[in-house]
Amino acid sequence: DAKTTQPNSMESNEEEPVHLPCNHSTISGTDYIHWYRQLPSQGPEYVIHGLTSNVNNRMASLAIAEDRKSSTLILHRATLRDAAVYYCILRDAVDGGSNYKLTFGKGTLLTVNP
Amino acid sequence: DAGVIQSPRHEVTEMGQEVTLRCKPISGHDYLFWYRQTMMRGLELLIYFNNNVPIDDSGMPEDRFSAKMPNASFSTLKIQPSEPRDSAVYFCASRGQGLGRNEQFFGPGTRLTVL
Repeated sequence: DAKTTQPNSMESNEEEPVHLPCNHSTISGTDYIHWYRQLPSQGPEYVIHGLTSNVNNRMASLAIAEDRKSSTLILHRATLRDAAVYYCILRDAVDGGSNYKLTFGKGTLLTVNP
Repeated sequence: DAGVIQSPRHEVTEMGQEVTLRCKPISGHDYLFWYRQTMMRGLELLIYFNNNVPIDDSGMPEDRFSAKMPNASFSTLKIQPSEPRDSAVYFCASRGQGLGRNEQFFGPGTRLTVL
């Protein structure tokens, strides 16, 4: 399985942007990059995913390096509710189709200060 | 939709007892996943199903664990006999199939304590 490397923890201030990095130097050409987050005492929730181009949705932006060996999840204005563990995951495609599984690492614990 | 539903939310049992965890996926989702989360090992995928058929059970720790999906709206994870090291939060998740259906939805989890 292609692996990812994330900092164990990061800290941010409320209403400031947050850039969460992820390294995936062994990514293959067909691996998608997924981000999930887990709020305290809850199950993980989907944040965003991408392949090559940068992606935006209502929750965050995903910036993918040109060589695809790293990516950055961007929260444009952090709120206290964004305090969570953020997981960067490479999609492990069994057959290149929908039969894939997500292997979660330890993620980055984001603390947001008021 | 109510999302992924898991029951019970909390379970306390004694070593050696049988434990059954239940999951109802989101209607229309073709994939169902069972995960286990502990402080030591993080979030681990145990098994997943596609259209009620197990696709990958390589994460199932041992023969004491078994999972079934008798129909599209129900799955169980059974531990028999249970041991203290099985104490963890067990999550069920479901996902659709096809283009644009990449989001995996997780349930609230079942916190299992084996004494």
